[in-house]
Order: sequence, then structure tokens, then C-alpha cells
Amino acid sequence: DVKVTQSSRYLVKRTGEKVFLECVQDMDHENMFWYRQDPGLGLRLIYFSYDVKMKEKGDIPEGYSVSREKKERFSLILESASTNQTSMYLCASSQGGRDTQYFGPGTRLTVL
Amino acid sequence: GENVEQHPSTLSVQEGDSAVIKCTYSDSASNYFPWYKQELGKRPQLIIDIRSNVGEKKDQRIAVTLNKTAKHFSLHITETQPEDSAVYFCAALAEDKIIFGKGTRLHILP
Repeated sequence: DVKVTQSSRYLVKRTGEKVFLECVQDMDHENMFWYRQDPGLGLRLIYFSYDVKMKEKGDIPEGYSVSREKKERFSLILESASTNQTSMYLCASSQGGRDTQYFGPGTRLTVL
Repeated sequence: GENVEQHPSTLSVQEGDSAVIKCTYSDSASNYFPWYKQELGKRPQLIIDIRSNVGEKKDQRIAVTLNKTAKHFSLHITETQPEDSAVYFCAALAEDKIIFGKGTRLHILP
């Protein structure tokens, strides 16, 4: 059974803080993804990675960076959090680009 | 790049009736179309997918159809039940990225 976990379910930060969101998958998947989910906007891809130390920008990478030092772990970094980054953040993984994506439980981030 | 449009944004159907959600895509090279269901407070989960070499796929009460010429695909849920209430997302694969539609909130009325 695929398991994707995220470090926090709820997070509250202040404007300007550096924020780390961690995602871990236990299925040896090649691909990992970070999305944000906002009402009426669906799921929007921030960044994805198809291999260790590899990263590709998604549709809305501005204000975010990522790190993939190990295959099982994919981190999303907000260098200087802003209120418009208040959102639900979902991590996902898949074996290949054309395979099922398995989602983590999500982190609801509030930036005050 | 790929663009996925999903309609309607909200859908209410009587329990036992059928529900249909429609999506269109723009990139004719897209060849993989998954559908995800997200129940309130939970993560999205794949419910069915279809690849471009197939026109229709069925799994119990759920079916998906694909019209490559028109670049649209649809999700059909028959004999709807209360547990079908959720947000449904269509998606299309383009250049190894999956692009999601904005979602459809399905309400099953008693």
C-alpha cells in the first residue's frame, strides 16, 4: 500500500518567515510533485522532480523552491512567506510520469 | 501548454440518478486522462483513468469516455449514492506533467 506522508497537517507562520514543507513516500517512486489547492482553482502544480537532485518548474513556481536530496523525500520551501501563500499544499508521488499519482494528506498553511 | 477545462463546477443530482462531468483539453499530444475523487477533508484519490488508445472504460458504476478528435473526455456515475458526494478532478498528461481541471463539487440529494 502506497504511503505518502507530509510533515504537518496544519501550520501557521508569519509573513517573511522561511517555511519548510516535507513530503516522504515509501514506494521508491521516481516522480514527486508539489501542488497547492485553492477554492475554485483546483490543483496547481508548483514544482516536480523526476529524479534525485532534479527539479522542474510547474505552473506557479514563483515564491517557492524545492529540494530532493533523497529519492523518498521532496521538500517545498517558501523563502519568505507571504499572505497569498496561505493555501492547502498537497504532495504526490508516482512511479512514472504516466502512472497514478498518490497524494499525501495535505498541509494547510496559514500565513499571518 | 496544456489547458484543461472542467464543467460544471457544481452538480446536484438525486440519489439513484446519473451524474456526468465533462472535461476538454487543448494539447492533442496528451494521452493519459485520470480522474480523482476528493472527499471532504481527505486527499485526492484516483478512481479511474483512460489512455488515448481506448475510447471507453468502465469500472462498476463509474465509466469514462474519451473523444480524441474533439479533445474531450467525460466521467459518468450511474445509480449515484450518498458516498459519491465529493469533489471530482479530471486531468490530462502533457509532457510528463499532469494538468488538473478546477474540479466539480458533486452533491447527491436524498
